[in-house]
Amino acid sequence: IAGITQAPTSQILAAGRRMTLRCTQDMRHNAMYWYRQDLGLGLRLIHYSNTAGTTGKGEVPDGYSVSRANTDDFPLTLASAVPSQTSVYFCASSDSNAVVGQYFGPGTRLTVL
Amino acid sequence: AQSVTQPDIHITVSEGASLELRCNYSYGATPYLFWYVQSPGQGLQLLLKYFSGDTLVQGIKGFEAEFKRSQSSFNLRKPSVHWSDAAEYFCAVGARQAGTALIFGKGTTLSVSS
Repeated sequence: IAGITQAPTSQILAAGRRMTLRCTQDMRHNAMYWYRQDLGLGLRLIHYSNTAGTTGKGEVPDGYSVSRANTDDFPLTLASAVPSQTSVYFCASSDSNAVVGQYFGPGTRLTVL
Repeated sequence: AQSVTQPDIHITVSEGASLELRCNYSYGATPYLFWYVQSPGQGLQLLLKYFSGDTLVQGIKGFEAEFKRSQSSFNLRKPSVHWSDAAEYFCAVGARQAGTALIFGKGTTLSVSS
């Protein structure tokens, strides 16, 4: 089934640990995004990638890093997790044709203790 | 500054009644506008989108939205709400350039009473 997969579905993590959230899409979309969703704040962009090999910072990039080695994968890494990074993380992708809109993955619920 | 405002945090509507969720945006360029729905514990599903042309757009699940440039609004409507419509609704705006991230409103939670 075409779409976006994210792993893990949920994770509880000790503060200070390193964590990588995985995102894979099979739609051959050029652009990919990472958002975090927090109650009362909606979705905020963390990082994005317009095409393989390029990345950019969004609204809330501190404490996160991304890489885009190929078209399909866009992992998000927390180098040293802190409790304020407790959130639900959504990966999204969009085609070169912006008319299509962005498609979202099912999300990863991360709790940092 | 670019922003999206959804003035209503929470709305309760009786089943069968009509619904209107408000969305106002501030965006420097000509916007692309979207409405997404999120059911509890789920990801976001695209309801409808506006790019150009007819200012009244139809979406899935019987929803429609009207773009009013003069009011910078893109309100979502449904003539008769069903209990399954209870969810959180997000309005978003983006640029016409591909690969531009969306700016989301903070969402409106819809409850449906019987």
